[in-house]
Amino acid sequence: EAGVAQSPRYKIIEKRQSVAFWCNPISGHATLYWYQQILGQGPKLLIQFQNNGVVDDSQLPKDRFSAERLKGVDSTLKIQPAKLEDSAVYLCASSLDWNGRETQYFGPGTRLLVL
Amino acid sequence: SQQGEEDPQALSIQEGENATMNCSYKTSINNLQWYRQNSGRGLVHLILIRSNEREKHSGRLRVTLDTSKKSSSLLITASRAADTASYFCATGESAGNKLTFGGGTRVLVKP
Repeated sequence: EAGVAQSPRYKIIEKRQSVAFWCNPISGHATLYWYQQILGQGPKLLIQFQNNGVVDDSQLPKDRFSAERLKGVDSTLKIQPAKLEDSAVYLCASSLDWNGRETQYFGPGTRLLVL
Repeated sequence: SQQGEEDPQALSIQEGENATMNCSYKTSINNLQWYRQNSGRGLVHLILIRSNEREKHSGRLRVTLDTSKKSSSLLITASRAADTASYFCATGESAGNKLTFGGGTRVLVKP
């Protein structure tokens, strides 16, 4: 079974530029998550999708971050404009469902450096 | 904000020794999960323990949960160099499958 795919793996941009990350979850997984992991910290949930609807985006900085999952499969996360403090690893995860008992499977992450 | 806080933040042991790390949390939970993260990689799910369970085993891993103290521990027995990684606890809510991660324990197993 293929795992969660993410691209790019690395990205370096200057502050105020925009950037987009892509995630392809495990086939058949209805729930998709984006996490931000700052160096030395645990992952923090940014947004959670159930199919193509948003379940939780309470910690997403909506003035600069946006995410979509239009067809309920792949997802993109965008930052516009980027700030220095956005330097982090962005992890995508998926699970079969969101009933509180499902294991989340993580992708390898996209490492972002904002200069 | 982070729900779980791991202790210690870092741990260095010799191969063959046991490694124990603890996680404390603040609010009621549906389950508690432990993940491993190798340097530069994604997280790998290790074990899930539900709020009505007290202990769970998986291979060389043993997890305990004490809901009265709002704490959990992860024990890795007979550690190997390949166990070198960061270990995170994450608390799960009953609705929505949302996970809140702690800051992690960095484990170094020296050969």
